[in-house]
Amino acid sequence: GAVVSQHPSWVICKSGTSVKIECRSLDFQATTMFWYRQFPKQSLMLMATSNEGSKATYEQGVEKDKFLINHASLTLSTLTVTSAHPEDSSFYICSAREWDASNQPQHFGDGTRLSIL
Amino acid sequence: GQNIDQPTEMTATEGAIVQINCTYQTSGFNGLFWYQQHAGEAPTFLSYNVLDGLEEKGRFSSFLSRSKGYSYLLLKELQMKDSASYLCAVRDRESNYQLIWGAGTKLIIKP
Repeated sequence: GAVVSQHPSWVICKSGTSVKIECRSLDFQATTMFWYRQFPKQSLMLMATSNEGSKATYEQGVEKDKFLINHASLTLSTLTVTSAHPEDSSFYICSAREWDASNQPQHFGDGTRLSIL
Repeated sequence: GQNIDQPTEMTATEGAIVQINCTYQTSGFNGLFWYQQHAGEAPTFLSYNVLDGLEEKGRFSSFLSRSKGYSYLLLKELQMKDSASYLCAVRDRESNYQLIWGAGTKLIIKP
């Protein structure tokens, strides 16, 4: 089955630090990857859609200069949280979809729990 | 507009059957997905429906009625490990095939 690897699983760092999260599709090519954020006991919130070779599409209210997304290849997308602050602490999850979107589900990485002190 | 509704929380007994309903409104329906999410973990894919009817996969089944904008996830022979949140998501053709997510139904299984 389709496997998505997300790294790191946990990050604890000081306020002002920039944090990079990687999302890799291991056994399929993902033209589209999605970045979600989930606060405790709340639903998934889509932050941005990452398309290989082009700029990411950000959802309303998500600062593109703070959450930098790079999708340089068909198997890798990265999310960088720049100058992170305590309010950025959350569970960040990526998902990937194979090139044919007709009946393919999104496959999720295991998520990254980010804690900013 | 787009809208997904599902109950916030349900409780069921180990060994029993439970049905989790999902109603949706979307302009470019292109399939409905059910995901399971255990606390602190990422969602895992359970089922996919794009045509009307029932899809069965082991203890889990999912039903879709496009005319009614309605789906349900049926869980049989409940086990304690089935305690999780169950997320209903609709793929929207007019939103670049993004998934529109429901808030999730927290299922509590009691012995």
